[in-house]
Amino acid sequence: AQSVAQPEDQVNVAEGNPLTVKCTYSVSGNPYLFWYVQYPNRGLQFLLKYITGDNLVKGSYGFEAEFNKSQTSFHLKKPSALVSDSALYFCAVRPPWAGNNRKLIWGLGTSLAVNP
Amino acid sequence: DAGVIQSPRHEVTEMGQEVTLRCKPISGHDYLFWYRQTMMRGLELLIYFNNNVPIDDSGMPEDRFSAKMPNASFSTLKIQPSEPRDSAVYFCASTTGTQETQYFGPGTRLLVL
Repeated sequence: AQSVAQPEDQVNVAEGNPLTVKCTYSVSGNPYLFWYVQYPNRGLQFLLKYITGDNLVKGSYGFEAEFNKSQTSFHLKKPSALVSDSALYFCAVRPPWAGNNRKLIWGLGTSLAVNP
Repeated sequence: DAGVIQSPRHEVTEMGQEVTLRCKPISGHDYLFWYRQTMMRGLELLIYFNNNVPIDDSGMPEDRFSAKMPNASFSTLKIQPSEPRDSAVYFCASTTGTQETQYFGPGTRLLVL
């Protein structure tokens, strides 16, 4: 079965330190990969996506993610964390469905806490 | 653009009552998705539409749930009768077939007593 795993329920990091939120997937073919962020009591906001091309994707708020096909991973990174980055982060994958199928497979989310 | 608009933002109702959630997608978007988020089950896709036609409703929990999209700018998700276990945050999202990125509304927080 196709799936997305975010192996850490919670990540804690000190402000100013680099952060990594992990995502691995089990999907056949060449999927599209996404990261979204959810701040408390808000909807999900798009951060970045990988469709094709350079394996390092840059997105909003200084975040970036690296696509690793051999490890089937798409980890989210930021060189220097801010307290305001504290939120829930979701990884999502769109398999290469045929036709008009646009269904995403979602991870369960990782709660990021950045400590001052 | 105003983004995806959902109403109401909060709904408190009693078990057995009918609940209707509303969504206005971003203009020009031809895909619309309804999600439900709970602590226990995370983010679940309920149903999605393409050009106002339901494509996949396999996530709809049971017959108490129904969704419609009468035109490109409006969709409803109805729960009848509502039950306490339906308490959740319901999100609507939209996108285009080429853009792929889903844009989410602010959600409707539903509490069924």
